[in-house]
Formats: sequence, C-alpha cells, structure tokens
Amino acid sequence: GESVGLHLPTLSVQEGDNSIINCAYSNSASDYFIWYKQESGKGPQFIIDIRSNMDKRQGQRVTVLLNKTVKHLSLQIAATQPGDSAVYFCAENMRAAGKSTFGDGTTLTVKP
Amino acid sequence: DTAVSQTPKYLVTQMGNDKSIKCEQNLGHDTMYWYKQDSKKFLKIMFSYNNKELIINETVPNRFSPKSPDKAHLNLHINSLELGDSAVYFCASSQADPGNSRGYTFGSGTRLTVV
Repeated sequence: GESVGLHLPTLSVQEGDNSIINCAYSNSASDYFIWYKQESGKGPQFIIDIRSNMDKRQGQRVTVLLNKTVKHLSLQIAATQPGDSAVYFCAENMRAAGKSTFGDGTTLTVKP
Repeated sequence: DTAVSQTPKYLVTQMGNDKSIKCEQNLGHDTMYWYKQDSKKFLKIMFSYNNKELIINETVPNRFSPKSPDKAHLNLHINSLELGDSAVYFCASSQADPGNSRGYTFGSGTRLTVV
C-alpha cells in the first residue's frame, strides 16, 4: 500500500537538508489548501496554495503535494535554511464555508 | 504601511475585567476574521465579517462580542474575562474568496493574559 507521512508536532533538520512537513485534512469536499509559516511573535504568513484539482505545485524552494485519496498534504522545503525555522500550518478551505480550518502545526527547527 | 494591524500587542488584565482589541486592515479586503491561538499553537476561528456583516460565529461564549464599524475595522470586546481566555488572538482579512487570493493576511497577534 501507499505510505503516507505522519504529522509530527516537531521536526529538526540540519541546514541544507530537505524538510518534509505532513498534514492530514478532514473534509473531502475542501476545494483548496494553503500552507502558512508562523515565525515567533508574528501571525501566520501565506507560503503556497494548491487547488483540489491539482496534485503538485511548486514555488521558490517549496513544493506542495496533495493526495486526495488519503486526504494528505505535504510541504517540502529544499535546502532548508535557519530562516525557515518556524511553525508551519496547513489549512483546508471550502468556498461554501467561507473559512479556513487549520491543522495542527509543525515546529521546524533548523540546526546550523 | 502595515497591512493588518491590531492593538494592543500585549494585554495583561485581571479576571472579571472587560477589554477590547482593535483591528484595522488597509488592503481593501471584504472579509475580516478573529482567530484564537491556544498554548499548543492550535488556531481556531471565532468570527468572520463580510462587509460589516457577521458571517461566522463559531460557538464562542457571548462574553465575546465583535464589532465592525466599517469593512476596514473589526474589533473584539470581551466581557468578564476568565483565566481560560488567555491566548493569542489574531485578526485576519481576505478577499471575499480567499481561493483567488493569497489566503488570509494576519495581524501580528494580541497576547492576552488573564491573571
């Protein structure tokens, strides 16, 4: 069977390594998904989004993968840098609901 | 030129007091929100307003009363504060359809501590 990454509340990586942050969502009717980054003392900031009719989207150093079969999202960060240390949230959205539902965050720590 | 600004950034108050948090956005967004973030970083929606009209009220105690005098402002008033209200409160705004924009723009949060 297909292996799906588990959500981890914390993730520690070495600078320069790739990071993978996983998220499970609950509503199969959600039509788009957003990853946010929250640095200490700040509000969450948009990183990248993906529509439900896509399975992959790439940004600058980040890639989001969507597996609707198992309701799973992942955020891959290439060549992780100390500035990437933050809490990362996935959010599922349904236009009809008019709100974002946030998943449990993952605290990423990048070791120099 | 701050996009979503909320004040105060920190608020320490005694149980039973009444306090307000203010939020303003200069992005021209139609929709504004209040989210509560607990000590485990979990973010939960409390309210949303679209063009001054209440859209979402997520089973929040009626001690919490949002007010939107215009679409650029959404304030949160809390009566009879309790210890369990201690959290970080985030204001956010978005276009009417966040799917066609870059999701929500959040303020920097108000850390409320009730003692």
